[in-house]
Amino acid sequence: GAVVSQHPSWVICKSGTSVKIECRSLDFQATTMFWYRQFPKQSLMLMATSNEGSKATYEQGVEKDKFLINHASLTLSTLTVTSAHPEDSSFYICSARVGEGDYNEQFFGPGTRLTVL
Amino acid sequence: GQNIDQPTEMTATEGAIVQINCTYQTSGFNGLFWYQQHAGEAPTFLSYNVLDGLEEKGRFSSFLSRSKGYSYLLLKELQMKDSASYLCAVLDSNYQLIWGAGTKLIIKP
Repeated sequence: GAVVSQHPSWVICKSGTSVKIECRSLDFQATTMFWYRQFPKQSLMLMATSNEGSKATYEQGVEKDKFLINHASLTLSTLTVTSAHPEDSSFYICSARVGEGDYNEQFFGPGTRLTVL
Repeated sequence: GQNIDQPTEMTATEGAIVQINCTYQTSGFNGLFWYQQHAGEAPTFLSYNVLDGLEEKGRFSSFLSRSKGYSYLLLKELQMKDSASYLCAVLDSNYQLIWGAGTKLIIKP
């Protein structure tokens, strides 16, 4: 099956620093990748949709200047949390969509747990 | 607005059967997914329904009624490892996944 990796698995940083999270599709090309955030005991919240070679589409309420997304190739998308603060501490998950049109299964990366001190 | 409803938590006994319901109201419909998510891990795909009826896959089955905006996930012969959250998600007219809040399933011996 399609495999998606994320790096790092977990990160602890000081308030005010920036953190970059990588999402890679290992055995397929993903034209579309999604970035989600999940707070404890809550469902996934879509942050943005990333299409290769174009600007990401952000969901309402997500600051695009704070959460920088770069989808430079068909196998790599990055999320950079700039000037992170404790309220940004969360579980960040990426997914990659396989296929187009009627069937759009998403394969998820293992997630990155971010803790901002 | 778009809405996905599923119970917050359910408890069942090892070896038994449990049915997790999901109702939805979305702008368009291009299929319904069920995902399993263990604590601290990313979701994993369980099933996809786009036509009415029952899809069976081993111990897990998923049912869809588009006219009623209703789906259920049926888990048979429950095992302790089935303790997890089960997420219902609908693909809307823009091919965006709309997620339910998830149902936490607790399996007791």
